[in-house]
Amino acid sequence: QKEVEQDPGPLSVPEGAIVSLNCTYSNSAFQYFMWYRQYSRKGPELLMYTYSSGNKEDGRFTAQVDKSSKYISLFIRDSQPSDSATYLCAMSARAAGNKLTFGGGTRVLVKP
Amino acid sequence: GAGVSQSPSNKVTEKGKDVELRCDPISGHTALYWYRQSLGQGLEFLIYFQGNSAPDKSGLPSDRFSAERTGGSVSTLTIQRTQQEDSAVYLCASSLEWGVGKTQYFGPGTRLLVL
Repeated sequence: QKEVEQDPGPLSVPEGAIVSLNCTYSNSAFQYFMWYRQYSRKGPELLMYTYSSGNKEDGRFTAQVDKSSKYISLFIRDSQPSDSATYLCAMSARAAGNKLTFGGGTRVLVKP
Repeated sequence: GAGVSQSPSNKVTEKGKDVELRCDPISGHTALYWYRQSLGQGLEFLIYFQGNSAPDKSGLPSDRFSAERTGGSVSTLTIQRTQQEDSAVYLCASSLEWGVGKTQYFGPGTRLLVL
């Protein structure tokens, strides 16, 4: 079993809908949680970064971390066709420094 | 400003040949990372550099893989005697410094196909 599990999708939503993405993990040492967006044939780009449990909001994006359940979420409000991409969760443990462990990615398609 | 660049963008090679993949990090970034992205395995960590040294090589899949960094800047990932299972996208990232929580900026990747 992988350390970080993520539904591969694809997740198809109409424009304007809320996109809900999540990852589960098994390593309780993970403390730093990130969401990356990756467009086709491009490298991943950092969207959100959260330390430990809690919520973080940035524009249309909200990241949530529940360490007790080992579960993290990303919500995208008012989704746009330009949000169509693959979303990757990533996490790291303090002892591992900046070595990231990624989920497999969820492909999202926002239809106009 | 310039981001992380990688070359070549695409590489097709025959099984058994050696390949070299190059990464140019963002200027001034001291930490550099190599990842591999394949359909079955997702994005896997391979190796990182702090300056020119690589303290953690545990992610390299086999001894056919090696990497070096010179002058605290450009890095080369070398795969010897390529196998078909080496086909993947090889991504490079850099961060201002090594340390937990430091943002990693990724390049566009090199798509390697081994025939």
